[in-house]
This record gives sequence, C-alpha cells and structure tokens, in this order.
Amino acid sequence: DAGVIQSPRHEVTEMGQEVTLRCKPISGHNSLFWYRQTMMRGLELLIYFNNNVPIDDSGMPEDRFSAKMPNASFSTLKIQPSEPRDSAVYFCASSRLLSGGYTFGSGTRLTVV
Amino acid sequence: GQQLNQSPQSMFIQEGEDVSMNCTSSSIFNTWLWYKQDPGEGPVLLIALYKAGELTSNGRLTAQFGITRKDSFLNISASIPSDVGIYFCAGQGNTGNQFYFGTGTSLTVIP
Repeated sequence: DAGVIQSPRHEVTEMGQEVTLRCKPISGHNSLFWYRQTMMRGLELLIYFNNNVPIDDSGMPEDRFSAKMPNASFSTLKIQPSEPRDSAVYFCASSRLLSGGYTFGSGTRLTVV
Repeated sequence: GQQLNQSPQSMFIQEGEDVSMNCTSSSIFNTWLWYKQDPGEGPVLLIALYKAGELTSNGRLTAQFGITRKDSFLNISASIPSDVGIYFCAGQGNTGNQFYFGTGTSLTVIP
C-alpha cells in the first residue's frame, strides 16, 4: 500500500501564476478530501468527494480555487491566480468510508511570492 | 463549522513522564479520532473511538470517548523523544460526513 501520494512536495510560485496540486488516493478508497493547514487557522477542509463526486465545497475560499476528481485514482486542486495569502501546506486525504478515519498524504508546501 | 478546542495548546515534559490532553466540542459527536503529525508530514491516525465511554489503547497511548459525547481524551504513558509532534483530535457528528479537526496540542519531550 503506497499510501496517499501528493505532488509536488514543494511549490514556489509567483503571485498571479496558476498552481496545480495533485493527489492519488489509496486504491479502493472512495472518499477524498483536500485540506489546507496554516499556523493561524489550523487544518481547514476545502472540499471533499465521494465516489468522484464533489459533496461539499463550502470550504473553498473563493472562486480562484477549484478541484476536480476525473476518476477514482486522481484529483487536482487548482489555484488561479495564486496570491501570497494562499501560502500554506495543502493535504489530500482519502478514506474507504465517509465515517472511517482518513489517511493523509505528506502534503504540498505552497509558497506564493 | 464546528469548533473543537484542544488543551493544552503546547506541552513541554521530561522523558518518562505521562501526558494528558483533551478535546472539547460544542456539539455531540458520534466518532472521535486522534492523529499525530510529525514535522513535514501529514497527520497519522493513532486511535479511533466510536462509542460513548469507549476506552481504547494503542501501545502507550490510551484514548477515551467522553460520556457526554462532547469530549475526548488522549493519554501517553512513559513519554519518549519520538512522541514529539502535534496531536490533533477530530470529531464527526450526525450532520454531514466530514470530520472537524481540533486546534492541536504541540508536545515537546525533553530527554
């Protein structure tokens, strides 16, 4: 079991650029979650999918953020255009059931300068 | 969203000491989880609790699902340096399917 795989591990980009974060959930897990972690706000749920369908995106901060899950083994979180305040660690997590514990990836540390 | 308050916010203890931390919610939860996050990594699930009053152990870690269903506790016995990290609680209620995470307790173990 390779775990939840996120890429890239680190991303430094200039303000205004598009950023795409990628996630491969654990095979057989049908729920996928995107979280953002900052010192000020802790772990915030951005959006989650069940069986590739977005269920709740109320945590997405604004229209600059979008997420897709085209199939059961891949999801992306896109920020366009990026801003310095988007700097954070973004985690993807997956679970077999919505009521089950999540398995987190190692995260993508995003720095927008 | 739901508010989960963890305390203490940070702890500095000597190696070998026991640790206690707790998590309280303004709402009733049906499931409580405890995670540990090492620097530069994602949180890792330590213990899951599904029933009020449940007491579950994982090695030196013991967690309890509070009777009121609004709180949970995590104890670490005989702490060692590798226990260093941030511990998060997470709760899931009846409304919605997501887990809400606490603010975290940062643990430092002094050798």
